[in-house]
Amino acid sequence: AQSVTQPDIHITVSEGASLELRCNYSYGATPYLFWYVQSPGQGLQLLLKYFSGDTLVQGIKGFEAEFKRSQSSFNLRKPSVHWSDAAEYFCAVGAGGFKTIFGAGTRLFVKA
Amino acid sequence: GAGVSQSPSNKVTEKGKDVELRCDPISGHTALYWYRQSLGQGLEFLIYFQGNSAPDKSGLPSDRFSAERTGGSVSTLTIQRTQQEDSAVYLCASSQRQGASETQYFGPGTRLLVL
Repeated sequence: AQSVTQPDIHITVSEGASLELRCNYSYGATPYLFWYVQSPGQGLQLLLKYFSGDTLVQGIKGFEAEFKRSQSSFNLRKPSVHWSDAAEYFCAVGAGGFKTIFGAGTRLFVKA
Repeated sequence: GAGVSQSPSNKVTEKGKDVELRCDPISGHTALYWYRQSLGQGLEFLIYFQGNSAPDKSGLPSDRFSAERTGGSVSTLTIQRTQQEDSAVYLCASSQRQGASETQYFGPGTRLLVL
């Protein structure tokens, strides 16, 4: 069965530091992979997505993610975090048909 | 409209009462999804509508939950005889077309609290 695992429930980083949020998926074929961000009281907004081609994907707000088939991973990165990046981040896999499977999310805290 | 809208933003109800949650998708989007987000949980798929096809209700947790989509646009999620475990944020999303590759656009959600 398809699944998405985000091992870190929450992460705290200092403003200006680099960030990496982990995501592992389980799916037999090449999946469609997404990262969404949810700010407090808001719905989810797409940061980036991977379908095929270049395994390093650039997204909005300075985020990028790298698809690693051998590790079944799609980790999200940002070189320098801003206080406004504090939010909850969801990794998701589009795994056939119409369904998208979401991870449980990682809450990012940014300290000054 | 510019985005997906949902109403009400917040709903407090008593156990046993029925509630209706509304979703207005982006104009022209043919696919519409309902999810439930409980505290500390990911998004739990509830139901999916695509055009005039029969909806996929495989995620509905019980027969107290139902949803309809009128005229291929506005959708209403109804929860009958609410229970405290129904307390959650209910998110609606729409996408331009059907498919696992499609980007979903989310509304701000309805926070439901069942007392």
